[in-house]
Amino acid sequence: AQSVAQPEDQVNVAEGNPLTVKCTYSVSGNPYLFWYVQYPNRGLQFLLKYITGDNLVKGSYGFEAEFNKSQTSFHLKKPSALVSDSALYFCAVRKSNSGYALNFGKGTSLLVTP
Amino acid sequence: SAVISQKPSRDICQRGTSLTIQCQVDSQVTMMFWYRQQPGQSLTLIATANQGSEATYESGFVIDKFPISRPNLTFSTLTVSNMSPEDSSIYLCSVDIVGGQGTDTQYFGPGTRLTVL
Repeated sequence: AQSVAQPEDQVNVAEGNPLTVKCTYSVSGNPYLFWYVQYPNRGLQFLLKYITGDNLVKGSYGFEAEFNKSQTSFHLKKPSALVSDSALYFCAVRKSNSGYALNFGKGTSLLVTP
Repeated sequence: SAVISQKPSRDICQRGTSLTIQCQVDSQVTMMFWYRQQPGQSLTLIATANQGSEATYESGFVIDKFPISRPNLTFSTLTVSNMSPEDSSIYLCSVDIVGGQGTDTQYFGPGTRLTVL
């Protein structure tokens, strides 16, 4: 079975500081990992994905994620947080490159304070 | 990416009634999915909407409660039948879009916020 875990319910960061939202995965076979963001009263927006290749994946809005096979992690990062980054972040995994739905983590609420 | 629209965006319904949610995509897609997000929770897959055949439901979801139609490659509907307050959730459709290097990305509609009284 494919699953991801987000160990933090909430992450608080001061504006301008780096942020990290954690995600660990458990898969059989190659991992296909994703990050999505959900702003209040809006749908999910795709940020980035890891399929294969470079362990550092760059995505939308200045976000990046680092794939670490030995630690089975796929943490989301941003060098300098903005207040507008405050939202709900979901890590997700699926068992193939295509044709399958996503298994989501429980979500992490990010609060960036001025 | 793709432009995905859902109707209605929100609704308040009485228990025992049914609501049909529409999902429209601006391009033809093979894979389309329906998810549920209960208040304060993550997303749970309800079913895969298959074009020209019956939907494939996940454990805990049945066709009688959540009938799905997929008449073509750009449109699907999800009906929430005989509603109870426990059905109050956000319902989202999503589609797979083929990207560069043969990789697929799943994009989501804006969701339908359903409240059952």
